[in-house]
Order: sequence, then C-alpha cells, then structure tokens
Amino acid sequence: DQQVKQNSPSLSVQEGRISILNCDYTNSMFDYFLWYKKYPAEGPTFLISISSIKDKNEDGRFTVFLNKSAKHLSLHIVPSQPGDSAVYFCAASAHGAGNMLTFGGGTRLMVKP
Amino acid sequence: ETGVTQTPRHLVMGMTNKKSLKCEQHLGHNAMYWYKQSAKKPLELMFVYNFKEQTENNSVPSRFSPECPNSSHLFLHLHTLQPEDSALYLCASSQVGQGVNSPLHFGNGTRLTVT
Repeated sequence: DQQVKQNSPSLSVQEGRISILNCDYTNSMFDYFLWYKKYPAEGPTFLISISSIKDKNEDGRFTVFLNKSAKHLSLHIVPSQPGDSAVYFCAASAHGAGNMLTFGGGTRLMVKP
Repeated sequence: ETGVTQTPRHLVMGMTNKKSLKCEQHLGHNAMYWYKQSAKKPLELMFVYNFKEQTENNSVPSRFSPECPNSSHLFLHLHTLQPEDSALYLCASSQVGQGVNSPLHFGNGTRLTVT
C-alpha cells in the first residue's frame, strides 16, 4: 500500500501560468516532506522541503503548502517556465526514521512555451 | 555535477553474470543509500548505511549485496539477477545526526538491463 501518492501522472501548463502539483499521504507519523525534480537521464534533485510545524514554505518561484489535517501537500510553481518541465516527486519521512524517505510515483510536468 | 557519482551509467548483464555498481560521494556526508526505480513505480529504498554501518535492509533479495567500505563509497554487488530486476538504480547520500534533516543528494543512476 502506497503511503505517499501523487494521483496525477502528468500535468500540462502554459508558460507563465501557475503549476500546482499535488501529493497525499496516509502515514500520520510523517513530519517532514520534500519535493524532488528529475530530468531524463539524471538523478532526482532536491527542490524544497517543509516541516510539519509549518504550513507553507517559499523559495523563489516555488512554494510548498502543507495541510496536515487533510494529509495533503502541494507544490506551486509560478510563473512556470519551459525549463521546469520534468518529473516531480513528493517524498516524506517520519521523525526518528532518519532520512529514509518514502516517495510518491511522480508527476510529469510539461510547460508549453 | 551532483556531488554523487555513479558508475557505470548503463549496464547490460545476463542472469548468470556477476557485476557491481559503484557510487562515490564528494559531499562529506555520513550516510549513503541505494534506491531502485522500476518502470511506473515509486522509488524504493533498498539499503541504508549510516557511518558505514548498514542500518536498513528493506527486504531486498540476497542476489543484491551492498558494501560500504567507507563513508564516501558504496557498492551494490549483483549476481544471478532476474529480468524483473531491470531498473534504474540510484545512489544517494546525506548528512544525518541529531536534529539534522539533510535532503538526499542523488547520483544520476545506473540503468540496469538483465537479459
């Protein structure tokens, strides 16, 4: 049973508009959440994270929102750029589990010029 | 340059072969990981090494054998694999410690095909 789910396998957005990628989790012990971005033929690269003591974290064009009661987080990219086209993975870890991450299946984002 | 280097980038091997995947990190981290990414499946954690000691074996078959001679190097020894073991194998490193939540840094992976 997948504890971290990304229900949209793909998303297409126009350049300049907002991209919203969603992630749901089931394990209430998760308290640290990350987003990774992956280009073809490369490994995932860390993008942004959020601790469960916060509900929002912003870094430039990227903002992650956490709704603990709904066990849902989202990544907003605004404005979206063609270079943002990649697969985005949501990941979570539980306190005391070190850095053992549980990953979602990924969402492929395509930003059209 | 990710700071985590994996070799080879591509590997094709028969089911009776023995091969090894290599990973080296130049980030001064104290933990290293092997992840597996199969087609249409999430990344799956295979092994974790903290300070060269294996702390996690995520029910991985014995035909996969990890080795961590020091905190900068990690190997995955492969023998008598099955075609379903074909996947992208990703190495990662991070800094772990009390109160530390360092993100994982991944290598570019080894694309393994078992024929």
